[in-house]
Amino acid sequence: KAGVTQTPRYLIKTRGQQVTLSCSPISGHRSVSWYQQTPGQGLQFLFEYFSETQRNKGNFPGRFSGRQFSNSRSEMNVSTLELGDSALYLCASSLVHRNEKLFFGSGTQLSVL
Amino acid sequence: ELKVEQNPLFLSMQEGKNYTIYCNYSTTSDRLYWYRQDPGKSLESLFVLLSNGAVKQEGRLMASLDTKARLSTLHITAAVHDLSATYFCAVDQIEGNKLVFGAGTILRVKS
Repeated sequence: KAGVTQTPRYLIKTRGQQVTLSCSPISGHRSVSWYQQTPGQGLQFLFEYFSETQRNKGNFPGRFSGRQFSNSRSEMNVSTLELGDSALYLCASSLVHRNEKLFFGSGTQLSVL
Repeated sequence: ELKVEQNPLFLSMQEGKNYTIYCNYSTTSDRLYWYRQDPGKSLESLFVLLSNGAVKQEGRLMASLDTKARLSTLHITAAVHDLSATYFCAVDQIEGNKLVFGAGTILRVKS
């Protein structure tokens, strides 16, 4: 069974650009969550989607947005990139909302220059 | 607002020794996770603790949960070099799959 797949694995952008990251959950999983990991702030929750609806949102500016498609794949978008957005972005999937088995993908390492 | 504190943040151990990592959290929760992360890699799930008094063991690692004290421990028995990694605890806020992570404990096991 394939795990959580995130693409691309690495990304380099410049300030002011926008970026879209993709996450394909484990087959059959309908909940996808996104986390940002930085050396300074650690791991922080961005948002969770379940059945194409955003269920929870963390304390991030509106430049960070996401969506989920009918096949449960999710994308997150960051507009007007800032240097501080450089981070490892991790996606996690679970069968349903509030399921205790949460599986993380390998992440997308975003560098903003 | 839920806060999760881990200590120590850095732990250097000799092989064969025992040690404990502590995870305190500030508000009620019904589930606590322990994850391992190797450099440049994702999070590997170690344990999910769902109830007061829960104890789980896998190899040289044992995790426990005391919901009344809002405390979880990760005990390492007879450490080996392969256990070197960063260990995170995370607490699920009751409203959903919204984990609040501790800062992580960097574990280095020396031969």
